[in-house]
Amino acid sequence: AQSVTQLGSHVSVSEGALVLLRCNYSSSVPPYLFWYVQYPNQGLQLLLKYTSAATLVKGINGFEAEFKKSETSFHLTKPSAHMSDAAEYFCAVRVSGGYQKVTFGTGTKLQVIP
Amino acid sequence: DAGVIQSPRHEVTEMGQEVTLRCKPISGHNSLFWYRQTMMRGLELLIYFNNNVPIDDSGMPEDRFSAKMPNASFSTLKIQPSEPRDSAVYFCASSLGDRANEKLFFGSGTQLSVL
Repeated sequence: AQSVTQLGSHVSVSEGALVLLRCNYSSSVPPYLFWYVQYPNQGLQLLLKYTSAATLVKGINGFEAEFKKSETSFHLTKPSAHMSDAAEYFCAVRVSGGYQKVTFGTGTKLQVIP
Repeated sequence: DAGVIQSPRHEVTEMGQEVTLRCKPISGHNSLFWYRQTMMRGLELLIYFNNNVPIDDSGMPEDRFSAKMPNASFSTLKIQPSEPRDSAVYFCASSLGDRANEKLFFGSGTQLSVL
């Protein structure tokens, strides 16, 4: 079975600083990996996804993530944090082959300090 | 497109009462998911429908929970009788298909409080 582990339930960064949210995955077969963002009182929205093409994936709002098989990681980064980035971020994994449910991590709340 | 529509937005009820949550998926989507989000357990998949048929209900907590999808444009999640531990945010999500790279579209959720 596949799973993801998000390191750090809360991360604080200053406005303009680098954002780094960590995600490690566990899967016996090549996975598809996703980052979703949840703003207060809203549902989750897809930020970006890795589907075995390029290992560096660019998403919306300036976010990107790099798939590193050797480290089983899929960390989310943004060079410069903006106040509007304050939200909760979820890493998720799914594998191909028939029905495979999406498994979400426990989430990381990002606080951006002015 | 209006996106995934859930109702009600908030529900407050007393223990023992029946609660019905509703979801209208995006038109043309054939996969529908019900999730529950709590601080303690995070985001849990309750049930998954494909082409209106329940495929995976292994996440449904117990017999008090039931879900239906009578047609492609409507689904319900019912809790009877409700208990305080059912308090959570319940999300409905839909997707175009069942491919592993398919993205999920989430509704805004129903905040359920059982007193």
